[in-house]
Amino acid sequence: EILLTQSPATLSSSPGERVTLSCRASQSVGSDLAWYQQRPGQAPRLLIYGASTRAAGISARFTGSGSGTDFTLTISSLEPEDFALYHCQLRSSWPPMYTFGQGTRLDFK
Amino acid sequence: QLQLQESGPGLVRPSDTLSLTCTVSGASIVSTTNYWGWIRQTPGKGLQWLGSIYFSGLAYYNPSLRSRLTMSVDTSQNHLFLTLSSVTAADTAIYYCVRDLWGSGESFDYWGRGTVVTVTS
Repeated sequence: EILLTQSPATLSSSPGERVTLSCRASQSVGSDLAWYQQRPGQAPRLLIYGASTRAAGISARFTGSGSGTDFTLTISSLEPEDFALYHCQLRSSWPPMYTFGQGTRLDFK
Repeated sequence: QLQLQESGPGLVRPSDTLSLTCTVSGASIVSTTNYWGWIRQTPGKGLQWLGSIYFSGLAYYNPSLRSRLTMSVDTSQNHLFLTLSSVTAADTAIYYCVRDLWGSGESFDYWGRGTVVTVTS
């Protein structure tokens, strides 16, 4: 089973700043990586799939990049609503399954 | 607009079987472009994919839960079903129903609001 490690576990920042979240896979997954945002009391929301494709309605402030084992999610010019929990997720070919990282919490500095 | 709504018992006793239903509205589950799935979330272990199912009944399960998990669909009612047998406290979680872009995006683009399941005697 492929493992995903997100770092840092918690990131403190301020509105207007730019942040980068990391997600590392234990073995190469090509570009089958997605990112989700989860606000308190809500279900996760798809931000990025295919490592770099923004989902419908997602702001251009969110940029995904990477391939193989190392992926990043960059949020430029943080808005107050961006302070949330972020998850990365991959799908492996064998066994055919999905795996999530443990999450990065983005909070106010 | 596609919507998913989970429903279930809320409380389940240890060793019993958990049964959940997902009602899909705004689109037919008879789709050739996506699967439908279940994901749960616990404070300690984060998000865990449980399994995904095609409208034909073809299903993929998380290997760690395969022996206890069954998923099915009712295309006439646009419902998805999940049963998890021999539950323990470790199965206490929020359970989400999702649309799975298996084969076309490898991600989950629609989520239900989730239903809380607590395993307690």
